[in-house]
Formats: sequence, structure tokens, C-alpha cells
Amino acid sequence: DTGVSQDPRHKITKRGQNVTFRCDPISEHNRLYWYRQTLGQGPEFLTYFQNEAQLEKSRLLSDRFSAERPKGSFSTLEIQRTEQGDSAMYLCASSRTGNSQETQYFGPGTRLLVL
Amino acid sequence: AQSVSQHNHHVILSEAASLELGCNYSYGGTVNLFWYVQYPGQHLQLLLKYFSGDPLVKGIKGFEAEFIKSKFSFNLRKPSVQWSDTAEYFCASAPGSQGNLIFGKGTKLSVKP
Repeated sequence: DTGVSQDPRHKITKRGQNVTFRCDPISEHNRLYWYRQTLGQGPEFLTYFQNEAQLEKSRLLSDRFSAERPKGSFSTLEIQRTEQGDSAMYLCASSRTGNSQETQYFGPGTRLLVL
Repeated sequence: AQSVSQHNHHVILSEAASLELGCNYSYGGTVNLFWYVQYPGQHLQLLLKYFSGDPLVKGIKGFEAEFIKSKFSFNLRKPSVQWSDTAEYFCASAPGSQGNLIFGKGTKLSVKP
């Protein structure tokens, strides 16, 4: 299976700690998206990359959040000084642009619990 | 702000019943529309998508959706549901040239055998 992969699948941390998540997109997909999903809600956009450039960040992405995609392949999402409100499922999606029919494919997500 | 509304939070049906899940989006211009499904314990999977052309689009597993521009709607339908359709269904839009998706809150479908 060459779908989007995310690591780790689950993370439990204490408030104030830093966490980092990794996303590996589908090969040759040039766009990579991060979303956050909380219970009872649909995914909410956080940020996205086209190749290595971070093109857009949501207002949801506070200063404690940072994302990188250094070589235009995998991406990392770091949360510094975690808070209980950061508990959520963090989803990664990838797509290939080139025409107007962009379709995003999602990974299994990383579930974060902040104690 | 652009938004997507899904009318039903939880739908319970018996097998063989017909399904229609409502979805309305708020953007007035060109928009791409999607339905994703999340089966229990699995990740989001694409069910079907609309970009342009025929407003009636067919997806996997017998699902279809109709884009009605005048109503800003993209409702999901299936003539006869199966127990295996039990899942959460998300409608999403990508307005204009915007890349990121705007999701509804989802509709949980429970199909009784």
C-alpha cells in the first residue's frame, strides 16, 4: 500500500511537553496538507505545502505550532508547550496538482492526548 | 466565512432502505465538492467528487451525489443501504482556486441488519 502514512498513530503527552508528528505523502504528490479533527467535528485545515514551500496557514495554527517539509517529500508538524486543548486527531493529506481537479488523499492520522 | 453544513448528525436506517444525506456549501463561485467516508477504525476515504460537467456523479459502492448549483447543495444518495455502509460521512468543498478543504461536521450513519 503506497498511501499516505503518519507516525506515530497515537501519542500521549503531559501538558507543556513538545511533540512532533511525521507525514509521508503519496509518492510524487507535490501538495501536503495538515488538518485537525476534534470529536464531533469535521477536519479543520491547519496548513499546506506545495513542494517545500508553506503556502498557507490557518488562524488555528498558533505560534506554538510549526510545520516543515524540508525536501518536498515528508513533513513534520511540531507542537511546542502542549495544552489540553491540543488534544485531537491530526490528519495529513496529499495531492497532485497540475489541473483543476485536485483530489486529496488522507492518512490514518495521529491521535494526540495531552494530560 | 465559507462553510459546509450537513443537516443530519446521526441517521439510523434498516438494511435496504434508501439514503439521502444533505450537504450545503456557502461559496457562490466555482467550487469543487467531495464526499469522504470514514468506516469504523479506518481513515478518511474518498467516496466521490464533483469538479464540473454532469451534476450527477457516481462514486464507489453504489453511492451517487447530485450537484444543484441553485440550491448550493451536493446531497449524497444510495438506493439501498447495507450494514457495511455504517460509517461517518463528510461533505467537503474546495472553493475557487483554494487548495484546502472545508468540511462539514459529518453525519454518522448506522445501518441495522
